[in-house]
Amino acid sequence: DAGVIQSPRHEVTEMGQEVTLRCKPISGHNSLFWYRQTMMRGLELLIYFNNNVPIDDSGMPEDRFSAKMPNASFSTLKIQPSEPRDSAVYFCASSLRGGNSPLHFGNGTRLTVT
Amino acid sequence: AQTVTQSQPEMSVQEAETVTLSCTYDTSESDYYLFWYKQPPSRQMILVIRQEAYKQQNATENRFSVNFQKAAKSFSLKISDSQLGDAAMYFCAYRVNAGNMLTFGGGTRLMVKP
Repeated sequence: DAGVIQSPRHEVTEMGQEVTLRCKPISGHNSLFWYRQTMMRGLELLIYFNNNVPIDDSGMPEDRFSAKMPNASFSTLKIQPSEPRDSAVYFCASSLRGGNSPLHFGNGTRLTVT
Repeated sequence: AQTVTQSQPEMSVQEAETVTLSCTYDTSESDYYLFWYKQPPSRQMILVIRQEAYKQQNATENRFSVNFQKAAKSFSLKISDSQLGDAAMYFCAYRVNAGNMLTFGGGTRLMVKP
């Protein structure tokens, strides 16, 4: 299995621009998670989906952030407009439902907003 | 709300020696799962070991083992025969069975001295 695939690996953009991060979960996994990692706040859950349906988006920082999962094999996280404080590493992870199933993480996207 | 605390921001160990990383958590749930993840400089999140709360026996994976104290809500990771490749950030994480999200501690940076 190829694992969770995220793209791009690095993204540099200017403040005010739209940014779209992409994720392909492991085939057969029915839960998908978006996390953000910063030095100050550590790993924060932004949103997660079960069977393509958003379950908990309370971690989404503000309306500039949106996430979609149009099908079982693809998800996007969009930031519009982007701000310098959005600079972070964004991870996508997938798993089977159930507490004993570990999350499998992608390699993350390092976003830099100048 | 569940919280996970790693009280050691940094730890250091001599190659071939043993080191223990601490983790405590706060929960009112009785059915949950605990995980340790490793994040090397490549930033990939790698599952190290997991423990089911209903199991009294401590989990072991090769040189990695845990000391799970359910009453104390403690979940420490022991690395035996430390190797240079063990140098990384280590994250403790908690997942309740009825829910789905993974809650992370703040991480411990482990340095291995040759």
